[in-house]
Amino acid sequence: GENVEQHPSTLSVQEGDSAVIKCTYSDSASNYFPWYKQELGKGPQLIIDIRSNVGEKKDQRIAVTLNKTAKHFSLHITETQPEDSAVYFCAAKVVGKLTFGTGTRLQVTL
Amino acid sequence: DAGVIQSPRHEVTEMGQEVTLRCKPISGHNSLFWYRQTMMRGLELLIYFNNNVPIDDSGMPEDRFSAKMPNASFSTLKIQPSEPRDSAVYFCASSPRLATDSYEQYFGPGTRLTVT
Repeated sequence: GENVEQHPSTLSVQEGDSAVIKCTYSDSASNYFPWYKQELGKGPQLIIDIRSNVGEKKDQRIAVTLNKTAKHFSLHITETQPEDSAVYFCAAKVVGKLTFGTGTRLQVTL
Repeated sequence: DAGVIQSPRHEVTEMGQEVTLRCKPISGHNSLFWYRQTMMRGLELLIYFNNNVPIDDSGMPEDRFSAKMPNASFSTLKIQPSEPRDSAVYFCASSPRLATDSYEQYFGPGTRLTVT
């Protein structure tokens, strides 16, 4: 089955700096790559996604890049704010199933 | 718009008891997913339904777990008998398209289950 690895497991940045989270996947048939943000006590919230026919997608301060050849994709958050502090999960989808990475705990400090 | 609704939000039960978790997907959505989240194993897909029909239950850990979707607006996940290792947060998610499509899933707030 699909295997998704996510790095780093924790990330601390100062407010205003950028944060980058990277994921790799194993199944070349994966064709959909969402990113979720999970705050304490809440369910994962979709923040951005990318499909396999696109290399990059941006939504305000958030961007995702996909390299299908290398089977890796990344989340970029610019101008980080304290409210960006949360756990972020990447995921890869193949044949109906989403496989999640292990999560990155992002801490944005003042 | 109401999102995915799950009940109860918290459940504490003793080992051996039956536990039933409930989910109401977003109206009009065609697929529904049950996930389990633990520190050790992260987010795991247990089972998913397309148009109320179970498609893949290979993630269900054992026969003690069962899930049903009697109609488009309701699903249950039952554990019988429950064991301490079932303690986790259980999430329900729904998607506007079939699970085989590359489409977003919307998660509910989860049910935190503690089995003592």
